[in-house]
Amino acid sequence: KAGVTQTPRYLIKTRGQQVTLSCSPISGHRSVSWYQQTPGQGLQFLFEYFSETQRNKGNFPGRFSGRQFSNSRSEMNVSTLELGDSALYLCASREFHGKGVNTDTQYFGPGTRLTVL
Amino acid sequence: GQQVMQIPQYQHVQEGEDFTTYCNSSTTLSNIQWYKQRPGGHPVFLIQLVKSGEVKKQKRLTFQFGEAKKNSSLHITATQTTDVGTYFCAGVMDYGGSQGNLIFGKGTKLSVKP
Repeated sequence: KAGVTQTPRYLIKTRGQQVTLSCSPISGHRSVSWYQQTPGQGLQFLFEYFSETQRNKGNFPGRFSGRQFSNSRSEMNVSTLELGDSALYLCASREFHGKGVNTDTQYFGPGTRLTVL
Repeated sequence: GQQVMQIPQYQHVQEGEDFTTYCNSSTTLSNIQWYKQRPGGHPVFLIQLVKSGEVKKQKRLTFQFGEAKKNSSLHITATQTTDVGTYFCAGVMDYGGSQGNLIFGKGTKLSVKP
């Protein structure tokens, strides 16, 4: 099976702009999670989508949003970019069948490196 | 909010020496997962521990889950240069059966001097 893919791989934006990142999960995986990785804060959970619904959300401002399509592909959007949004944005997919304790392995994509100038 | 603390932040070892990283949670975990991220790469799943007191081995790597399911460790015996990278633990909080998201520790960056 093909792995998790993310596009674009690199992105440079300026403050105030908005950006959309895309993630295609492993075939058959219905859950997609997004993480922000920075040297100072490490890996921080943004949100998780399953069956086109957001089921978990991290502690990020409303400028960060996401959605999931019927084919499980997901997008995340950051509006009104700030310098501090510069980070590696990672997407991860897992099988998840809708209930039970979260014990599924997460498979990460290569990430999108966002630089805000 | 919930946190998973991981120490040390950095570890420099001579090739052949052992290495250990520790994770601690203030709340009981449903399970804990370990990931490795090579420089310039993305996190790759290593293992998952679910049971209290569980110990799992993968060649030179030994993973432990504490009896209280609040702490975990990863021990590498006789490190090699291929072990270089950042090791993350990620815990799922025990909400009594309901789903929780993974909370990552800040990772331990391992460098190995040949």
